[in-house]
Amino acid sequence: QSALTQPASVSGSPGQSITISCTGTSSDVGGYNYVSWYQQHPGKAPKLMIYDVSNRPSGVPDRFSGSKSGNTASLTISGLQAEDEADYYCSSYTSSSTTRVFGGGTKLTVL
Amino acid sequence: QVQLVESGGGLVKPGGSLRLSCAASGFTFSDYYMSWIRQAPGKGLEWVSYISSSSSYTNYADSVKGRFTISRDNAKNSLYLQMNSLRAEDTAVYYCARESLWFGELLYAFDIWGQGTMVTVSS
Repeated sequence: QSALTQPASVSGSPGQSITISCTGTSSDVGGYNYVSWYQQHPGKAPKLMIYDVSNRPSGVPDRFSGSKSGNTASLTISGLQAEDEADYYCSSYTSSSTTRVFGGGTKLTVL
Repeated sequence: QVQLVESGGGLVKPGGSLRLSCAASGFTFSDYYMSWIRQAPGKGLEWVSYISSSSSYTNYADSVKGRFTISRDNAKNSLYLQMNSLRAEDTAVYYCARESLWFGELLYAFDIWGQGTMVTVSS
């Protein structure tokens, strides 16, 4: 099963906004609203930041938002803060036999 | 508090076997689907396997199908991953993760993660 496609890296300055894309196909991202996003700091376990394309779990700041257009989902972080520097992964349900797939990950650098 | 704690990782030779465990606490374990997800050193996340709440359904990534077996014991609030015929490319941190539910509906998201256990396959 192919991973979803994410940019390897993005960067932004404190206070700015950045967007991370996650591109799949009509068999995963484009066909279902089961896209989730995870934040992972070095040496730590991933943390769920967004589920069902645009829903935030309790405790996740509203600076984090998600959206989808066609086969591409996006995570936007507004008002960047130093602690947002981390790796970000998208995930989706897929109609392939495995049913679950991750993106390759994006390293966010806060300049 | 809601918690998952993995154990059982270690160094094993190619072709060997290892059994990972994941102890759950702080929630009704028997209500939730559970997954194993791994991360090779310096690489991204890879979903490995899931098991339904009552063990009726399981599924595996192509990379481990036929070699790994997922299971659970709801009476012991525990999840397991039996790994056989291990290869160097199975070297990774293995996380157990809870799959999100919303009023009984599976959301295909992982809302609780353990701290991970390292598996190294090397001669």
